[in-house]
Amino acid sequence: EGQLVESGGGLVQPGGSLRLSCAASGFTFNYYPMNWVRQAPGKGLEWVSYISSGSTVIYYADSVKGRFTISRDNAKNSLYLQMNNLRDEDTAVYYCASDGSGHLEHWGQGTLVTVSS
Amino acid sequence: DVVMTQSPLSLPVTLGQPASISCRSSQSLLYSDGNTYLNWFQQRPGQSPRRLIYKVSNRDSGVPDRFSGSGSGTDFTLKISRVEAEDVGVYYCMQGTHWPPYTFGQGTKVEIK
Repeated sequence: EGQLVESGGGLVQPGGSLRLSCAASGFTFNYYPMNWVRQAPGKGLEWVSYISSGSTVIYYADSVKGRFTISRDNAKNSLYLQMNNLRDEDTAVYYCASDGSGHLEHWGQGTLVTVSS
Repeated sequence: DVVMTQSPLSLPVTLGQPASISCRSSQSLLYSDGNTYLNWFQQRPGQSPRRLIYKVSNRDSGVPDRFSGSGSGTDFTLKISRVEAEDVGVYYCMQGTHWPPYTFGQGTKVEIK
């Protein structure tokens, strides 16, 4: 069965940058659209960004548009999220999730991003 | 954006008894292709979310048959026929019809009485 493993989280100051990665294994990564979803501490789920299998279609939540960039490298079975100009409200666990038979079929274990001075 | 409203937000249940969670959308979730893109997710304490149900009533692989989804248009329900201890957690509905963005309900916390 497929597996998704996020990495790259950590503590960053407001205004700083961070790049998250998601390594996929056990399934044909280049077939599937991918997403980033986040969860602030003690809060619910918020969809962040979507990228199609061939990177031709990309969407962002309004809350991150202009600051975050999603990308993927199908040769490396990897998904990325470049996060710039980070704000306190971006503090969350960030999950990558694949769209297989429907939306958000498989999820990783998440990586924590903390924005604080 | 489509607003998803769940009720109740907290659901204490007795082991072995049924449980039901309601999810309402601010617009019909019937898509032009005839499908209704309403999903349910379970998040156990300390774990990442797991999809249980997709397109209203289709159980994902490995999901026990005590979980069932129903509904149409703007009103949807997740039912657990007999609650077990491992069902404790937060349940979210999510719509994928009018996107971007995908939108989630606030979550319903299921706990054992």
